[in-house]
Amino acid sequence: KNEVEQSPQNLTAQEGEFITINCSYSVGISALHWLQQHPGGGIVSLFMLSSGKKKHGRLIATINIQEKHSSLHITASHPRDSAVYICAVYGNKLVFGAGTILRVKS
Amino acid sequence: NAGVTQTPKFQVLKTGQSMTLQCAQDMNHNSMYWYRQDPGMGLRLIYYSASEGTTDKGEVPNGYNVSRLNKREFSLRLESAAPSQTSVYFCASMSVTSGNTIYFGEGSWLTVV
Repeated sequence: KNEVEQSPQNLTAQEGEFITINCSYSVGISALHWLQQHPGGGIVSLFMLSSGKKKHGRLIATINIQEKHSSLHITASHPRDSAVYICAVYGNKLVFGAGTILRVKS
Repeated sequence: NAGVTQTPKFQVLKTGQSMTLQCAQDMNHNSMYWYRQDPGMGLRLIYYSASEGTTDKGEVPNGYNVSRLNKREFSLRLESAAPSQTSVYFCASMSVTSGNTIYFGEGSWLTVV
């Protein structure tokens, strides 16, 4: 069983829809990261969470430490949000989920 | 401030050849990582270095060696390349003591024929 599980694996949405991507993990962690990878490969960090909730623009990330679960929400989705979203957890090393491929259609 | 710099960006190797992927960061981070990314597999950890002078195996270390030359540099070596090592390789660094933000190199596309 993978230490980090993401769902869904693939997601297609219409422009404007509210999107949720989930991440569950099975190990003790001190931090959870959400990352974005665009076609062409570049990976950028969106959020680092150790508790609660963070918001940046249309992106919101939440974490429930007791349930070992995090969600990434995108409000008013746009085609430029199309990317792979990756969850990673840090205990004593970084471990990544397989990623969620998001496509937002106009 | 260049962040994380990886070289080369593209490389084609013949089976059995050796090569080294170089990674350097200028952010004084302690932790550095090498990952490979294959279609449908996500990022898989090859080796990591929690601090200068230490290295540890990750999920898929076979066929690779690493060197943490100093705090800035963490290299990945393929001693005898195999077609199964065709992949995109990413180097990453992170400072546990400074915000925990992860920084990635731009990736190295390696093809072994």
